[in-house]
Parts: sequence; C-alpha cells; structure tokens
Amino acid sequence: AQTVTQSQPEMSVQEAETVTLSCTYDTSESDYYLFWYKQPPSRQMILVIRQEAYKQQNATENRFSVNFQKAAKSFSLKISDSQLGDAAMYFCAYLGSGGGADGLTFGKGTHLIIQP
Amino acid sequence: EAQVTQNPRYLITVTGKKLTVTCSQNMNHEYMSWYRQDPGLGLRQIYYSMNVEVTDKGDVPEGYKVSRKEKRNFPLILESPSPNQTSLYFCASSWTGGSGNTIYFGEGSWLTVV
Repeated sequence: AQTVTQSQPEMSVQEAETVTLSCTYDTSESDYYLFWYKQPPSRQMILVIRQEAYKQQNATENRFSVNFQKAAKSFSLKISDSQLGDAAMYFCAYLGSGGGADGLTFGKGTHLIIQP
Repeated sequence: EAQVTQNPRYLITVTGKKLTVTCSQNMNHEYMSWYRQDPGLGLRQIYYSMNVEVTDKGDVPEGYKVSRKEKRNFPLILESPSPNQTSLYFCASSWTGGSGNTIYFGEGSWLTVV
C-alpha cells in the first residue's frame, strides 16, 4: 500500500516570504499522480497543483511550484510571496494509475501560518 | 456549474440511529468515493464506486455501507452510528479512477454522534 508522509505538522512564515512544505511517499508503481490540496478554515478541499510522475518538468501554478524528485520519492510545495490568504492546512496526496480502483492517499497535513 | 453536493452539511445524531449522507454529482462521472477526515490523520477513503452497481471498500469501511443505483448518486449509510464515527465526511467524484482526471470534492458533512 502506498503511504504519504508530511513531516511538518505546522509551519510559519512571514508574509511575502517563501515557504516550502515537505512531502515524501512510498510506492512500487512507476506511473502515478501527486497533488497538493489546500484546506482553508471553511474546510473546502481546493486543488493547488498536480504532477504527473512521467513528466520530469516540475509543475508550476502562479506562486505555487513543486520540486518533484521521483527517485527520492519526494514532492515538496514551494509558496512564493506568501499571502495571508495562503494560511490553511495543506495536504499532499498520491493517486495510483494502475487499475483505477485506488482513491487518493493523503498525508496527515501541514498547518501553514502566515505572520503579517 | 460542476458540482458535488452533499447533504446534510451538519448533523448531530444519537448512537444507533440510522442515518444517510447523500452525495450527488452533475458531471456524469463514473468514479465516486467517500472520505473521512479526522484531526491528525488526514483524509482516509471509506468506500468507492467505479460505476453503477460497482462498489468496493476503501481503507476504513467498518460501520459504513454505500450503494450506487444511479450514476449521479452515491449515498453513505451509517446503519448504527457510534461516537467514533464523529468526523468530517467528504464525497468526491471524477471521470474515472486512477487516471489523473480532476477530482471534485463536495463541501463536506460534519457528523457528530453522541
């Protein structure tokens, strides 16, 4: 079974600074997908960014980018120019592609605090 | 507008009183699933459905049932709720499972069992 580990229960960053959230995963598959979800106090699940394992290029969405290291099974999220609205829980998630039966496997989350 | 709709959003119930949380999607998605979120544990999959009449257990299925009689609906049934089922529940859907298609989440249902 796949596992996803987020080793930072909580992170704090000054507004306008850059912060990196860590995520590692364990899988025996070669083809899969990785995601970062943001969960603000409303508890809505918001997709931040996704990465296909077969793509070597790191995904980028505006101020959000990832550092995907397939061999190391690492998938960190970098948030540049942090804003107060970025304060939330962030979940790293894995989705296998074999067979289609598996759902998302989530990490336990990182609580991101933005200091004004 | 693409939507996954859950009801009720908030519910307080008593131990043993059967309840159903409904989930409906308007995107003709084949794949639907239920997750529960507990503090410090992230989201864990309860059940999933690959298509109509095709359902299977996720990681934490004990105490839950599901059905998929129509493509758009995937209700979560708690036959005899217990306090350890107090949680935040999410329904999700996508075109197919395991293909990297966009996964849509409902807004969540807060369930408290006393």
